[in-house]
Amino acid sequence: DQQVKQNSPSLSVQEGRISILNCDYTNSMFDYFLWYKKYPAEGPTFLISISSIKDKNEDGRFTVFLNKSAKHLSLHIVPSQPGDYAVYFCAASRYNFNKFYFGSGTKLNVKP
Amino acid sequence: DAGVTQSPTHLIKTRGQHVTLRCSPISGHKSVSWYQQVLGQGPQFIFQYYEKEERGRGNFPDRFSARQFPNYSSELNVNALLLGDSALYLCASSLGGTGSSPLHFGNGTRLTVT
Repeated sequence: DQQVKQNSPSLSVQEGRISILNCDYTNSMFDYFLWYKKYPAEGPTFLISISSIKDKNEDGRFTVFLNKSAKHLSLHIVPSQPGDYAVYFCAASRYNFNKFYFGSGTKLNVKP
Repeated sequence: DAGVTQSPTHLIKTRGQHVTLRCSPISGHKSVSWYQQVLGQGPQFIFQYYEKEERGRGNFPDRFSARQFPNYSSELNVNALLLGDSALYLCASSLGGTGSSPLHFGNGTRLTVT
């Protein structure tokens, strides 16, 4: 049961432009959402999170938006940099359970 | 500060064998979780331990087991290995045991079953 989905396996953007990565979920009980970044041969690195009581959270170049009615979240990276080249995973959980459901990832390529 | 450390980094086993993977959490973190990641997919939850007690188990067969030690380190054991167990096994630690406590991952153990 794929409760968290990332429908775009890859995304290519120009350096300096905005990158928008999307994620959909099916379980309305999820109330905490995170984005992770993964380089080859490394474990995923936590980027940013948002709880269901908010619809936006910013941290530097990274902003996560949550649309609960659509069960959709997105990660905006502005401006995109060559070092952002990685696979990005979204994940979701329920507050009382430290069990996270991950999407299948989106590989971001930033072109110079 | 040391992050989550996993050993070994790579492992090759034969079908039917047993494997033990080890994980040391970030200092002060009391929760350890194990995830399996196969190529092209996101990490999939296997186990979570908090304060040495099992808090959650994913949809994996009984061949998979784990434990957490008094120093909060953890082991994942897999018996009777199958070809389909080939994957990257990720250990993650978190400060708390709830869903609002982000996971901090190690670099994983790459298991190949031949």
